Amino acid sequence: ETGVTQTPRHLVMGMTNKKSLKCEQHLGHNAMYWYKQSAKKPLELMFVYSLEERVENNSVPSRFSPECPNSSHLFLHLHTLQPEDSALYLCASSQDLRGDQETQYFGPGTRLLVL
Amino acid sequence: EDQVTQSPEALRLQEGESSSLNCSYTVSGLRGLFWYRQDPGKGPEFLFTLYSAGEEKEKERLKATLTKKESFLHITAPKPEDSATYLCAVQAWGSGGGADGLTFGKGTHLIIQP
Repeated sequence: ETGVTQTPRHLVMGMTNKKSLKCEQHLGHNAMYWYKQSAKKPLELMFVYSLEERVENNSVPSRFSPECPNSSHLFLHLHTLQPEDSALYLCASSQDLRGDQETQYFGPGTRLLVL
Repeated sequence: EDQVTQSPEALRLQEGESSSLNCSYTVSGLRGLFWYRQDPGKGPEFLFTLYSAGEEKEKERLKATLTKKESFLHITAPKPEDSATYLCAVQAWGSGGGADGLTFGKGTHLIIQP
């Protein structure tokens, strides 16, 4: 595996379900990100982790709960979602937050549909 | 609040017809401006990073330029495989000197017809 991988690629869930999205980066990076991409809207930053510590939470509802157990893995735990949460969820990583290697590389995304 | 506006929203060109995409931005302390390409159903693919006004970068048929208020992505003699959505994003210096996440524009959907 190379780059940034995400699983599952597609997910359909009901509003009462609990599910998790997984992201893994094989680039040796220290920072990881979750973004949401909805139709007709720009990518929206959700969470930023640096060296496994959350450094930014962009006013995201508590029904989205991130977890970063180590610098290579990032999870997004989902519970009691709403239909308007249906979107493409993208994970990204960068070498560092505070250095020169801040270019973010994206995974393929998880297409989420909430019924 | 950081803002990015891309124009046009959509652009249809004939193969070989050169053009430019615009990205206007307002940011409190620009750390970097990024261009990405996104194909349907895929994540954004990194193209360029620009750091200061006057900087230019090239890759095959693409050239990105930066001023203090906007960036252009010039496409020279495009081919059908250049069809994609092109995203512009800015990164500001966060509090304490660290860089923030990216603020994206809505993108320009480019179609190159054979």
